[in-house]
Amino acid sequence: EVQLVESGGGLVQPGGSLRLSCAASGFTFSSYAMSWVRQAPGKGLEWVSAISGSGGSTYYADSVKGRFTISRDNSKNTLYLQMNSLRAEDTAVYYCAKDYDSSGYQPIFDYWGQGTLVTVSS
Amino acid sequence: AIQLTQSPSSLSASVGDRVTITCRASQGISSALAWYQQKPGKAPKLLIYDASSLESGVPSRFSGSGSGTDFTLTISSLQPEDFATYYCQQFNNYPLTFGGGTKVEIK
Repeated sequence: EVQLVESGGGLVQPGGSLRLSCAASGFTFSSYAMSWVRQAPGKGLEWVSAISGSGGSTYYADSVKGRFTISRDNSKNTLYLQMNSLRAEDTAVYYCAKDYDSSGYQPIFDYWGQGTLVTVSS
Repeated sequence: AIQLTQSPSSLSASVGDRVTITCRASQGISSALAWYQQKPGKAPKLLIYDASSLESGVPSRFSGSGSGTDFTLTISSLQPEDFATYYCQQFNNYPLTFGGGTKVEIK
């Protein structure tokens, strides 16, 4: 059974940093690209970042480029999101999501974690 | 970035109704579109991919159509468990983008 479990969310002051983790199980983690998708309270979904299965390719939304860094440790089956220079508008539930297939050319998401809440406030 | 515009943003419907949601892309995306269902407090669930392919386990009352810039999600006979918010997502290129969502409420 595929499982994605996020952790690392919490309250942080504007300008601060936070690292999210997503522990994956139930599939060959290194074969699949992964993404982070966020949802501000009461708002819609916003894709944040993606990383290829090998970790060699990364992609970012313009809203986080230069502030967030996605990475993965395939030996630990874990996905990360390092978030720096956090702003109030980064407040959201952050989901990690698994690509539908292992080709890397169809970045849609068949499994999602339960989400972790990040609140940026003084 | 490709913008996706969903309409309507919300609708009220009764059990048994046929419901259609549209998603318009700001430029052509071929068939690189997916639809998700999200219930309050839950993660999204994949319904449709490649514009019209039904994800395994999803009831056949859900269907998708379209290509290029105009897409639709249709629920042929609305069931109580279908009251939720629906999102389209394009995967033609990065950055990936989602539509603003359509909330389907009980009339």
